Formats: sequence, C-alpha cells, structure tokens
Amino acid sequence: AQSVAQPEDQVNVAEGNPLTVKCTYSVSGNPYLFWYVQYPNRGLQFLLKYITGDNLVKGSYGFEAEFNKSQTSFHLKKPSALVSDSALYFCAVRAFNTDKLIFGTGTRLQVFP
Amino acid sequence: DTAVSQTPKYLVTQMGNDKSIKCEQNLGHDTMYWYKQDSKKFLKIMFSYNNKELIINETVPNRFSPKSPDKAHLNLHINSLELGDSAVYFCASSQADSRPNSPLHFGNGTRLTVT
Repeated sequence: AQSVAQPEDQVNVAEGNPLTVKCTYSVSGNPYLFWYVQYPNRGLQFLLKYITGDNLVKGSYGFEAEFNKSQTSFHLKKPSALVSDSALYFCAVRAFNTDKLIFGTGTRLQVFP
Repeated sequence: DTAVSQTPKYLVTQMGNDKSIKCEQNLGHDTMYWYKQDSKKFLKIMFSYNNKELIINETVPNRFSPKSPDKAHLNLHINSLELGDSAVYFCASSQADSRPNSPLHFGNGTRLTVT
C-alpha cells in the first residue's frame, strides 16, 4: 500500500534562513510526488510535483524539492524563508496506475521575523 | 472567478439532521473529489468522480452520498449526521484524463460542526 510520512509536526525557522520540510514515501513502482500548501481557512494550493526527469524540481514562491530514490524522500526546500511562508505543508504521493492521491499528515512551518 | 467554489462555508447543525454541501468548478476539469480534513488536519479522500462516474469510494459510511449532476458539479449529501462527522470538507478538481498528474485545485472548504 502506498503511504507518505512527514516526520515533523512543526518546523521553526528564522526569516532569511534556509528551510527544509521533510517527506518520505512508500509506493510500489515509480512514485508521483507532490507538495501542497494550506493557509488558514483556505484550501490546499499546489506548489510543485515530481513525475520524472531531474531530481530537483522547482515550484511556486521560490520553493523546490529534491527527489531521492534511494532514500525514498522528497524534501521541500527554500533557500531563504519569508514570514509569509508560514503555513501548513502537505506532501502527497500517487502510485503509478492508481487515481488516488495520498496525503501526509502535514507539517506546520513557522517563520519568525 | 473562483475556480472551485463550495457552499456553504460554515454549517452548524444538530445530530440526526440531513445536510448537503455543494461544489462547482469552472475549470473544465473532468474529475472531482471530496476530501475530509479532521481536527488534526489529517486529509483523507472520500470520493472521486470522473465525467460523472464514481471511480473512488473510500471506506466512508453510506450516510455519505455524493451526487454529480454534471461534470462541473459534485455535491455531498450526509444523512443522520453524527458528532464524528464534524470536520472540514474540501472539494477539489483536476484534469485527470488528458493530464494524469495534473495538480488538484481545491475549494476553500466547508466547516461542518455537528452539535
């Protein structure tokens, strides 16, 4: 069965510092991986995805994520955090040949001024 | 010009009542979804419809019944509401047929509170 884990409930980082939000996955076959962000009282917004090709994927708002097949990870990164990046971040995985997108439990990112 | 819109935004009701949540998307997408987000923010898929046909039906009580009158609408009807149904329900859509890995577009959610 496919699954995705976000080991940190919360990540705190100072504005201007780099940030990493961790995600590991488990699927049969090639994974399709996604990151979404949720601001308070809003729906999820798509940030980026990995389907195939380059392991480093660039997305919206300066975010990027690195696919690491050997470690089954897809960590979200940003070189310089902004206070406005504070939100709830979800990693998601879809296994090849399924329609179902499975979300992780979410990581709350808090960026302090 | 909201892409995925849900109504109502808030729904407060008593146990045992029947209620509906409506969802409409104006993106021309062929697939629509209902997700439930609990108090711990855990997000779980409930249903998925592709071109008005049910394709995903997770282990959800049969008190929950989705209805898709056309490709742009997916409504969720809940019978005999229970306290445990309190959650935020999100509608989403995607263009799954022609772009299998196209991202989901979410509505802003309906916060259901059952008292």
